[in-house]
Amino acid sequence: DADVTQTPRNRITKTGKRIMLECSQTKGHDRMYWYRQDPGLGLRLIYYSFDVKDINKGEISDGYSVSRQAQAKFSLSLESAIPNQTALYFCATMGGDNYNEQFFGPGTRLTVL
Amino acid sequence: AQKITQTQPGMFVQEKEAVTLDCTYDTSDQSYGLFWYKQPSSGEMIFLIYQGSYDEQNATEGRYSLNFQKARKSANLVISASQLGDSAMYFCAMREGYGISSGSARQLTFGSGTQLTVLP
Repeated sequence: DADVTQTPRNRITKTGKRIMLECSQTKGHDRMYWYRQDPGLGLRLIYYSFDVKDINKGEISDGYSVSRQAQAKFSLSLESAIPNQTALYFCATMGGDNYNEQFFGPGTRLTVL
Repeated sequence: AQKITQTQPGMFVQEKEAVTLDCTYDTSDQSYGLFWYKQPSSGEMIFLIYQGSYDEQNATEGRYSLNFQKARKSANLVISASQLGDSAMYFCAMREGYGISSGSARQLTFGSGTQLTVLP
């Protein structure tokens, strides 16, 4: 089984809808991240969390919110989706014995019509 | 200023030949890490290789090696003996700081990527 999972893998939604992307990990890592990838661009950081009570904004947090329900779960919400939030979203984790590498989930492809 | 620059939007290489993908970076930190990820058309991010700023030797992982030139702030990826399955987008990324440090996100900053196509 994958160490970092994301659900759903693909989602099509309409403008104005609320949507939640979920990330779960079995690595026991304390740090979790949400990134966004747009065509022709690298990944950009949306939010990150050091632990359940520690949430921080990244480079492009406007229009997003997150929830760290447990050490293993980190959810990303779009309160009112808009078309320019159409992108590939990645969750990543870091921790354990190695604070020099991030482990990525498989990605969620989100389309906002 | 961009922290990670990949100047080659697209590259072509003949199967079985070696190819170098360029990456330059900008940081004032003394401690940092450099990463290369591969992203095939299926979309997942696959970790390839890591180089720490204090590592004296260039990192190698199988057919991948990282040509680290600290003074030039470059961290080029070299793929030897290219295979058709190497066709993908390749991203260079940097993590500033090292290890655990309070208040530091340790997030990765990515370049815009290089699309590599291996020709039969």
